[in-house]
Amino acid sequence: NAGVTQTPKFRILKIGQSMTLQCTQDMNHNYMYWYRQDPGMGLKLIYYSVGAGITDKGEVPNGYNVSRSTTEDFPLRLELAAPSQTSVYFCASRLGLAGGDNEQFFGPGTRLTVL
Amino acid sequence: RKEVEQDPGPFNVPEGATVAFNCTYSNSASQSFFWYRQDCRKEPKLLMSVYSSGNEDGRFTAQLNRASQYISLLIRDSKLSDSATYLCVVILSGGSYIPTFGRGTSLIVHP
Repeated sequence: NAGVTQTPKFRILKIGQSMTLQCTQDMNHNYMYWYRQDPGMGLKLIYYSVGAGITDKGEVPNGYNVSRSTTEDFPLRLELAAPSQTSVYFCASRLGLAGGDNEQFFGPGTRLTVL
Repeated sequence: RKEVEQDPGPFNVPEGATVAFNCTYSNSASQSFFWYRQDCRKEPKLLMSVYSSGNEDGRFTAQLNRASQYISLLIRDSKLSDSATYLCVVILSGGSYIPTFGRGTSLIVHP
């Protein structure tokens, strides 16, 4: 299993540009998450999904969109990039059996800079 | 009050020392608890789950105190390789099981 993969690893955007951060997991996990982590700070939840076709907002969803058309893929879309979106983005997945005691598996992250 | 709070540190300790971190959570309905480790510029990885009765994994011991709403992580015989940021994660019961992360505690183990 490759686990959770993210592309690209690094990206520099200009203000107002758009891009999609890709996330794929091959563990047949139900739950998937997008987080951002600013320097010296914890992870903040952007969006999450409990299964294909179902997505919901997290703590900081403004400026982002997601879709979950398959179990494996959970892309994150930035429509109009702003400097405040400069961050490291982590995708994670979790099996999601009843009960909360399932660990999250994280991708390696995408480092995004908006200039 | 933040949902999950941790002392950011850094905790500077010599090799061989014992160090302990606490993490407090605000919601008494919290159900599941974890410690994750994050190395610099890397993704978080599960260190250990925290069970009500407490649990140990080698040099690491995790404990839960529901009455005072905190979890702890004890590291014995610290190694240089233990230098990292330790993230506390709490999941509320019911609903969608959304994990809430603390901002992490930085540990630096020096020779």
